[in-house]
Order: sequence, then C-alpha cells, then structure tokens
Amino acid sequence: EVQLVESGGGLVQSGGSLRLSCAASGFTFSNYWMSWVRQAPGKGLEWVANIKEDGSEKYYVDSVKGRFTISRDSAKNSLYLQMNSLRAEDTALYYCARFNRVAMIGNWFDPWGQGTLVTVS
Amino acid sequence: DIQMTQSPSSLSASVGDRVTITCRASQSISSYLNWYQQKPGKAPKLLIYSASRLQSGVPSRFSGSGSGTDFTLTISSLQPEDFATYYCQQSYSSPWTFGQGTKVEI
Repeated sequence: EVQLVESGGGLVQSGGSLRLSCAASGFTFSNYWMSWVRQAPGKGLEWVANIKEDGSEKYYVDSVKGRFTISRDSAKNSLYLQMNSLRAEDTALYYCARFNRVAMIGNWFDPWGQGTLVTVS
Repeated sequence: DIQMTQSPSSLSASVGDRVTITCRASQSISSYLNWYQQKPGKAPKLLIYSASRLQSGVPSRFSGSGSGTDFTLTISSLQPEDFATYYCQQSYSSPWTFGQGTKVEI
C-alpha cells in the first residue's frame, strides 16, 4: 500500500524555523517527483514546492522562495521541507504528495499524506 | 500565474441528484486539468486527471469533461459518501494552481 506520513509540525513564533518530514512507503520513492501542498485553516489548497526524482530540480511558489527549501533522501525514502523566516500567513496544514508526471497527459498529486499542522504565532 | 475559478462555491443537493461543478481557467490549459475530493478532516483524493480520465478505484458515477478554459465535473447520481468539497487544479504550467473549492452539502 502506498503511504505518506508527515511529521514535524508544531507551534512556532514568527521569524522562526521548522523542518517537516514525510516518510514514503509502498512505492519506489526514487522514481517520482514529490511535492508539498498546504491548506490554511478553512481555506483552499496551495501548491508549495516540488522536487525532481534525483533532487536536481526544485520549484517553489513565489510566496516561499528564499525562505523554504525542499529536499529528499532516497536512502531513507523521505521528503523534507525546511521552513525559515516563518510568517503568520504560513499557518496551514502541510501535505506531502507524490507528483505524478506523464508526458502529453499531465501531472497530478496522488496520493497525499494526512498532513502536519504548522501554526505561526 | 493561471487562475482557476470554480462555480458554484457551494451547492445543496439530495441523494440521487445529478450534480455538476464548473471550473474555468484564466487561459487555455488544453486538457491539463485534475479534480480532487476532500472530506472534512481528510486529505484530498484524486478523482479525475487530464480532464476526463478516471483515477483507478473511483466510482464511474464521477466524470469529467472539457478542454481549453472550461471544464466540468459531474456526479451522475449523488451518494451519501459524496458530500465533500471538490477542487480543480491545472497542470498546464507552474505554479500549479487550484480552484477555490465547491462544497457539496445536503
């Protein structure tokens, strides 16, 4: 069974840092792009960052560029999100998701983890 | 950035109803459009990718259509487990953007 389990969320003061982790199982982690997607309380979904299978390419939404860093460790089947200079507007449930890409068909997020909550006070 | 606009933002329906949700992109995205279902307290679940391709395991009462800028998610006969919020998402160009969601209520 494909599974993604996030951890590392919590309460942090504005300007602080936090590192999220996502443990993947049930698929060949090193064969897939991976993503972080967030959802502010009571709001919609916002893509945050993507990382290529080998970690050589990384992409971010403008609002987190220069503050967040996505990374991965294929030996540990794990995805990470280092979040620095946190702001109140970063408060959200952060989901780890596999980013599936098929030429001429498109890309999509599937599956998703259960999320880890980050609260910036 | 490509903006995705869903309508309606919410709707009330009954079991057995045919439900249609619309998603409009701010520019043409060909068929690069996905649909997700999210139930309260749960992670989103992929329903349809590439505008009309049903994800494995998703009931056939769900269908998607459209291309260019206008897309539709249809639930042919609403079931109790379908009451949820539905999101569209474009996969034409980064940043990958979502619609604001459509809440389907009883």
